[in-house]
Amino acid sequence: QVQLVESGGGVVQPGRSLRLSCAASGLTFSSSGMHWVRQAPGKGLEWVAVVSYDGSDKFYADSVKGRFAISRDNSRNTLYLQMNSLRLEDTAVYYCAKGPPLDYWGQGTLVTVSS
Amino acid sequence: DIVMTQSPDSLAVSLGERATINCQSSQTILYSSDNKNYLAWYQQKPGQPPKLLIYWASTRESGVPDRFSGSGSGTDFTLTISSLQAEDVAVYYCHQYYITPQTFGQGTRVEIK
Repeated sequence: QVQLVESGGGVVQPGRSLRLSCAASGLTFSSSGMHWVRQAPGKGLEWVAVVSYDGSDKFYADSVKGRFAISRDNSRNTLYLQMNSLRLEDTAVYYCAKGPPLDYWGQGTLVTVSS
Repeated sequence: DIVMTQSPDSLAVSLGERATINCQSSQTILYSSDNKNYLAWYQQKPGQPPKLLIYWASTRESGVPDRFSGSGSGTDFTLTISSLQAEDVAVYYCHQYYITPQTFGQGTRVEIK
């Protein structure tokens, strides 16, 4: 069955960097668009970024543009999110998801930005 | 950006009764070339990731009970739970994937009355 497993979350100070990973299995990863979606504690869903199946196209939410970078390694079936210049408001559970529509989701990894 | 607005923010429905959630987009999400509405609905239970229920506004995802249905076109959409069950208590989100940035509604919490 399809599995998406995020890792790399943790506690980080404002202004620092963090890289998230999402390991995929049970699907043809190299044929799938992949997304990052986040959810701040007690809040709704916020779409963050998408990368096309071959990595050639990438799009971002305005709130992260210029600070976050989405990428993928199809040889490793892995999706990444490089997060730089982190802010307090980036605190959230970060989900990777396949789509659209977003038919498979990981369990999420918590990123806490705190001084 | 396309703004997705859901109503109501929360609702309480008796077991076996109908629950209706509305979602309005700030511009059309009907693509004329394929006549498809680029709208999905998700269910999220506490401590879990969202689960896809409906896509293309009205196509039920495999394995989703048929008490869940989606309707609407253009800018106005509805998710209906025809007979609410206890396991349907959750937050429901609409999502447009017509253009980037993709956007979600703010969510609607469904509870048992």
